[in-house]
Amino acid sequence: KQEVTQIPAALSVPEGENLVLNCSFTDSAIYNLQWFRQDPGKGLTSLLLIQSSQREQTSGRLNASLDKSSGRSTLYIAASQPGDSATYLCAVRPTSGSRLTFGEGTQLTVNP
Amino acid sequence: KAGVTQTPRYLIKTRGQQVTLSCSPISGHRSVSWYQQTPGQGLQFLFEYFSETQRNKGNFPGRFSGRQFSNSRSEMNVSTLELGDSALYLCASRPGTSGRYEQYFGPGTRLTVT
Repeated sequence: KQEVTQIPAALSVPEGENLVLNCSFTDSAIYNLQWFRQDPGKGLTSLLLIQSSQREQTSGRLNASLDKSSGRSTLYIAASQPGDSATYLCAVRPTSGSRLTFGEGTQLTVNP
Repeated sequence: KAGVTQTPRYLIKTRGQQVTLSCSPISGHRSVSWYQQTPGQGLQFLFEYFSETQRNKGNFPGRFSGRQFSNSRSEMNVSTLELGDSALYLCASRPGTSGRYEQYFGPGTRLTVT
């Protein structure tokens, strides 16, 4: 059974800092990994999708990497802003089946 | 292109009642999945529909059911509501069932059972 863990559970940083969020998964038989952002009481916004054959994806100030063999992904946020404050979730899709397995999320607070 | 829409956004029901939630996927998307999010269990997969057929089902009791219509819109039904069913129910769509497709989520329906 796939298990996804995110560390840290919560993170508070001053504005402008670069930061890294971690995601690990136990079963490397994944099709892809997706990073989401969730604002309080809202739905999920897709940030980046990394296929299993890829090593990283970039979108603006966000960069996500994937090391499938070691079961790890990182989300790098450059020059953080107060508007980045949210919960960040990673989810993996298996090679067989369609369900996403989510981590518990990292709650990020960027202080002005 | 409009995103995934869910109705209603908020719902309060009494234990024992039943409820139906609705989801309209992004235009052209034929796969719709449902997830339940609670503080204790996080996000858990309920089921996925494609071309009006249930393709995959999570570990939820039979009180949870769903269906998909020919226009890809989907409904989820929960019968005999329990207090533990209080959650944010999220619908997600993607173009098809291939694993390469990105998943897009709606704003969710907040269900409170009293």
